[in-house]
Parts: sequence; C-alpha cells; structure tokens
Amino acid sequence: EDKVVQSPLSLVVHEGDTVTLNCSYEVTNFRSLLWYKQEKKAPTFLFMLTSSGIEKKSGRLSSILDKKELSSILNITATQTGDSAIYLCAVDLTNTGNQFYFGTGTSLTVIP
Amino acid sequence: DAGVIQSPRHEVTEMGQEVTLRCKPISGHNSLFWYRQTMMRGLELLIYFNNNVPIDDSGMPEDRFSAKMPNASFSTLKIQPSEPRDSAVYFCASSLGPAEGNIQYFGAGTRLSVL
Repeated sequence: EDKVVQSPLSLVVHEGDTVTLNCSYEVTNFRSLLWYKQEKKAPTFLFMLTSSGIEKKSGRLSSILDKKELSSILNITATQTGDSAIYLCAVDLTNTGNQFYFGTGTSLTVIP
Repeated sequence: DAGVIQSPRHEVTEMGQEVTLRCKPISGHNSLFWYRQTMMRGLELLIYFNNNVPIDDSGMPEDRFSAKMPNASFSTLKIQPSEPRDSAVYFCASSLGPAEGNIQYFGAGTRLSVL
C-alpha cells in the first residue's frame, strides 16, 4: 500500500529559528512530490519536486528531494510567526491519473 | 482568476438532513477533486473528475455520499442523510493536469457540522 509519512507531527519554535520538516514515502510509480502550506483555510502550493538533489527555493523556504532515500525535506530559515501553519506533503504517482497521496502534515507553531 | 470557489463556507445541519456542497473550479482546469479533512484522518480524497467524468470514487465513504459534475465549471457533493461523523472540512481542488505538473489548487473549504 502506498504511504506518505511526515515528521515531526508538530513543532514549536521561536522566531528566528531554522526548522526542517521531513516527508518520506513508500510508493510505486513515483512521479513527483509536492509541498503545501495550510494556514486556517485552503492548502496553498509551495514546491513541486521531480528530480533528486535539485533544490527549490522561495525566499526563506527551500526544499530538496532524495529519491534514493525516498524522502524530501522542507527548510524554513529565520522563521516568523506568519510561518505558523500545517505543512503538507503529497506524492503524485504515474499510474493514478491526477490523484495525490497526502501525508498527515506537520503542525508548525512559531512563537514571538 | 478568482481561484477555486466553494460554497457555503460553513454549514450547520441536523442529523438526517441533506447537505449539498458546491464548487466552481478554476476556468480551464480539466480535473476536479473533492477531499475531506479531519484531525484523525488528515486529508482524504473522496472522488475526482477528469473532463467532467468521475474517474475514481473509491474514497467515497458510503452510498450516502454522491458527487456530480454537470459541466466544466460546477460540481456538487451531496450527503443524504447526513450523520454527525460526517462533520469535517470539505475541500474542492482543481488542476490543469500534466501541462502544469498536476499541481492542485484548493478552495477555501466548507466546514460542515452535523448535530
């Protein structure tokens, strides 16, 4: 059975800290891995990763995929209170049309 | 573009009542997804459509749930009769498909409470 696991489940840090969120997957027919940020409403798209070792970066956020380890990390540097959210990882498979498998998410709280 | 639009934003109903959730996907997108999110189970795919045709409804919990997509700009998710365990946030998402890496864009969700 295809599985996507995120860790930690929750995290509390102080403003300015750097955090690393993990996503590991056990799936067949991997196509890509996506990260989403969910504040109080809809998940919003952050990154899509298809190739191992190539870092995607947007401001203080960055992410990289390791296909050998079947995992991805999302880094946030110099965290701010606005980074408080649930971060969701999803895997897209080649044999399921457009269907994603989502992890249960990591809840990040940034304290001033 | 206004993004994916869902209505209502909140719905409170009594057990046994019919509930209809609505979704307008992003114009031009050809895939539409209905998800349910709860604390216990996270984000679960209920059903998805490709070019208005249901492709996979294996996530629909039981016969009380049904979904339709009569045209490219509108979809409904209906629960009849509703039960307290259906209380959750229901999201609709749409996608342009492989042309954009299958990225899904989510609506703001409908928070359903069944009393």
